[in-house]
This record gives sequence, C-alpha cells and structure tokens, in this order.
Amino acid sequence: GEKVEQHESTLSVREGDSAVINCTYTDTASSYFPWYKQEAGKSLHFVIDIRSNVDRKQSQRLTVLLDKKAKRFSLHITATQPEDSAIYFCAAHLGGYKVVFGSGTRLLVSP
Amino acid sequence: EAAVTQSPRNKVAVTGGKVTLSCNQTNNHNNMYWYRQDTGHGLRLIHYSYGAGSTEKGDIPDGYKASRPSQENFSLILELATPSQTSVYFCASGDGTGGASAETLYFGSGTRLTVL
Repeated sequence: GEKVEQHESTLSVREGDSAVINCTYTDTASSYFPWYKQEAGKSLHFVIDIRSNVDRKQSQRLTVLLDKKAKRFSLHITATQPEDSAIYFCAAHLGGYKVVFGSGTRLLVSP
Repeated sequence: EAAVTQSPRNKVAVTGGKVTLSCNQTNNHNNMYWYRQDTGHGLRLIHYSYGAGSTEKGDIPDGYKASRPSQENFSLILELATPSQTSVYFCASGDGTGGASAETLYFGSGTRLTVL
C-alpha cells in the first residue's frame, strides 16, 4: 500500500544550527504534503505545507522542499531554538480522505 | 480555546468491555477523523466522516465503530476492547480546503487508552 517513510527517527542539533527532516512517499498521485508538530504531551498542530505544483515554500524559519521526481520532500528549520524541540510528522494526501503519515522524527535542540 | 475536544483524556478498560471515546469540534468542519498513534507507526486512520450521519471505514477499522450524530460530535466505539487496542487516539476535524485532498487537520488533545 501507500507509504510515507520518515528517515530520521531522532535528530539532535545545537541551538542555532539548522535541522533537516526527510520524507519519501510511494504514490505518485500524492498532491499535498503537510507537516505537523507534536510537542511533548500535547496534540499535533499544523506547521507548514506544500502542494505538488511548487517545489519550495518558506514560512519564517521553516522551508519545505519537494522533489516530485524522487518522490521526496523535506522540512528545513534554520536557527533552531529550544521551542523547536518536538516530534515532527510529515504526511501525504493521496486524494479523497486518504492521508498517510510518516512515523515521526523527534527533534532535540540543545542549548 | 480548544476547537477539538476529546474525552476522556485517559481511560483504563478491561478486556471485553465497551469503550466510547468522544470528540467535539467547534470549527464547524464537515470532515472528522479518528486516528490511533503507536510508536513506529505514525498515525493510522480508523474511521472518518464527511458530515452528520455519515461514517466511513479508514485503513484499520476492525474492532471499531464510529458514530456521527451531529456536525459537532464524532464518537469512536470499541464494543469488545482488546489489549491490542491500547494506544493513543486522536480525533481531528478537517477544514475541507481544496477538498479533503488538501485540507488542514485540527487535532484534539488525544485519549490514552489502556486495555488490561
């Protein structure tokens, strides 16, 4: 079946460094790729997304890159801060109500 | 204020018992979803609904039923709970942007269910 693979289960960076989280997907029909953040003990909330008609989207310190040929998308966080520490989930919408989530990447930002 | 509210936050049930997880949303969204979150699996879709009175099976519906009596409320029902259903359950509503295929999901705070 359709899969979204999130390659890093854990990522540790120093405060101020950049972090990159990578995801790949299997279904070429995927057209929308959101990212969600889950802070410790809390629920998930939307942080940024990208649609298949563009290959880059930036929102403040967050940038999402999409490589449709490689079926790969990534979240780039610059100038990381301790409050960026969380689990990040990538997802791919396949059409209709079908959304497949990655398994999550725990980002740890240390001072 | 929270727009998607789940209850209870924590639940301990016995094997074979009936469990009902409740979800209420004030977003006035048509679409609602139930997911479970297990380590290493991300979120997996159990049931969803595109409006009052409708329920549809997701990817892992076995052992679960759903009910959507109104726009605001969506329940997940475990008629005969089993230990394998021990998990964290999230309810979400979808804003329908671009159709369901490109909508943002708004999640509740989750219910941690333990089945002994």
